[in-house]
Amino acid sequence: DAKTTQPPSMDCAEGRAANLPCNHSTISGNEYVYWYRQIHSQGPQYIIHGLKNNETNEMASLIITEDRKSSTLILPHATLRDTAVYYCTGGSGNTPLVFGKGTRLSVIA
Amino acid sequence: GAVVSQHPSRVICKSGTSVKIECRSLDFQATTMFWYRQFPKQSLMLMATSNEGSKATYEQGVEKDKFLINHASLTLSTLTVTSAHPEDSSFYICSAGRSATNEKLFFGSGTQLSVL
Repeated sequence: DAKTTQPPSMDCAEGRAANLPCNHSTISGNEYVYWYRQIHSQGPQYIIHGLKNNETNEMASLIITEDRKSSTLILPHATLRDTAVYYCTGGSGNTPLVFGKGTRLSVIA
Repeated sequence: GAVVSQHPSRVICKSGTSVKIECRSLDFQATTMFWYRQFPKQSLMLMATSNEGSKATYEQGVEKDKFLINHASLTLSTLTVTSAHPEDSSFYICSAGRSATNEKLFFGSGTQLSVL
């Protein structure tokens, strides 16, 4: 299981980019980096995942360092609805994801 | 996109009763599903891996006789909390994914269990 380290909390002004870091130095070569978020009393919502290359979808961008020991999730224009706990984790295929404590992102108007 | 449906979303029961939570994969077959538990202000904790047609695999410290898991079909897994007590009150979440190395897991909306 990939162990991850994330800052416990971050603030971001509405409309600005939110950059959430994650250290995952123990991730193995075949494990993908996954990002999920959880809004209070709901199940985790998938955001994005990647293996080596940077990825972008309609929700966010994922920047993975060349050594794969860390990554950054970028929400390009944060809105109030992006306030949530963001988790990064590692996994491969249909294996259970192990979640750390995540980062509580507060988007401020 | 693929959806995992979980039911009920909220249940309140008396101490000593049993509660069943259902987890369905709506548009894909899931040979494996995962059950998590989450206490207030804490992260998700993996409880068990549910395998279709075979016994579930439980994480260390999770009582298999208390948390019964049945995965009788490729689209349905159930978690039964037997003889529930107040300390079992928690948010229970299931997840499932297609069987591919680069696939993501989909999560249900969770079940808030309150044992009185």
